[in-house]
Amino acid sequence: EAGVAQSPRYKIIEKRQSVAFWCNPISGHATLYWYQQILGQGPKLLIQFQNNGVVDDSQLPKDRFSAERLKGVDSTLKIQPAKLEDSAVYLCASSSSDRGDYEQYFGPGTRLTVT
Amino acid sequence: SQQGEEDPQALSIQEGENATMNCSYKTSINNLQWYRQNSGRGLVHLILIRSNEREKHSGRLRVTLDTSKKSSSLLITASRAADTASYFCAPSGSARQLTFGSGTQLTVLP
Repeated sequence: EAGVAQSPRYKIIEKRQSVAFWCNPISGHATLYWYQQILGQGPKLLIQFQNNGVVDDSQLPKDRFSAERLKGVDSTLKIQPAKLEDSAVYLCASSSSDRGDYEQYFGPGTRLTVT
Repeated sequence: SQQGEEDPQALSIQEGENATMNCSYKTSINNLQWYRQNSGRGLVHLILIRSNEREKHSGRLRVTLDTSKKSSSLLITASRAADTASYFCAPSGSARQLTFGSGTQLTVLP
């Protein structure tokens, strides 16, 4: 079974530029999550999708971050404009259920450096 | 909050020894999951324990849950160098989401 795919793996941009990350979840997984992990901390949930609908985006900084999941499969996360404090690893995860009692499968992440 | 807090923040042991990590949380939960993160394999699910369970085993892993004390522990027996990683607990409650703490950094010395 193929895992969660993410690209790019690394990205370096200057502040005020824009950037987009892509995620392809495990086939058949209806629930998709984006997390932000700052160095030395645990992952923080940014947004949760169930199929192509948003379940929770309460921690997404909506003035600069946006995410979409077209057709309930792939998802993109965009930052525009980026700030220095956005430097982090962005993790995508998927799960076969949104009930919270199923394991989440994580991708390798995209390491973003904002200079 | 539902967020788990791991203790200790860092732990260093010799290969073959046992490692114990603890997790505390503040609200009622439906289940609690443990994850491991290392540079090679990213974030990987280890074990899930439901609120009506007290202990669960998986290979060299043993997890306990005490809902009255709002705490959980992860025991790794006969540790190996490959167990070197950060370990996170993630409680899941009514919001049905995982909230990770800052983790325990385990170093297993050869």
